[in-house]
Amino acid sequence: AQSVTQLDSQVPVFEEAPVELRCNYSSSVSVYLFWYVQYPNQGLQLLLKYLSGSTLVKGINGFEAEFNKSQTSFHLRKPSVHISDTAEYFCAVSRPIPINTGTASKLTFGTGTRLQVTL
Amino acid sequence: DAGVIQSPRHEVTEMGQEVTLRCKPISGHNSLFWYRQTMMRGLELLIYFNNNVPIDDSGMPEDRFSAKMPNASFSTLKIQPSEPRDSAVYFCASSLGEGSGSNQPQHFGDGTRLSIL
Repeated sequence: AQSVTQLDSQVPVFEEAPVELRCNYSSSVSVYLFWYVQYPNQGLQLLLKYLSGSTLVKGINGFEAEFNKSQTSFHLRKPSVHISDTAEYFCAVSRPIPINTGTASKLTFGTGTRLQVTL
Repeated sequence: DAGVIQSPRHEVTEMGQEVTLRCKPISGHNSLFWYRQTMMRGLELLIYFNNNVPIDDSGMPEDRFSAKMPNASFSTLKIQPSEPRDSAVYFCASSLGEGSGSNQPQHFGDGTRLSIL
């Protein structure tokens, strides 16, 4: 089984400052990694995903994340945040399943990090 | 394209009443997931379907909860009888599952905020 740890429940930051949201995972097999964002009163939206290949993944809204296998981490970063980035951010992991098995992806989510951007 | 559509957006009802939450997945998606989100427990997967068949319902809290997917474009999550501790936001999500492994992202609806008095 896999698990995800987001150590920071809240991260306050000033507008235009850089930010890093931390995510560590635990799994006995290789994994796929995702970051989702949730704005107030909305569902989760995919920010970016790591499947394989380059360890630096770029997503929407200027976010990027780096997969570090040795440290089992997938931290999310943005060099300059905006007020509109205020939201809840979730890291998630899934286990690769062979294609054509008829099964679906099952995500395990972290507990979320609340990013609060202020002027 | 329309996203995942959930109804109602808000539901307030008294303890003991039956509650039915509805979900219409994105057209063409063949995997559907029901989640529950609370402050205490975060985001929990309740059940998921692949090609209308329930694959894993180990997250369903108890027998009061049931979910169905009669066709590819509709699913329901029912709670009967409802209890105050069922109060939460319930999300439905869909994705392309079969033939694509687990690298397809899930697309979430805006959720149903359920309050049991």
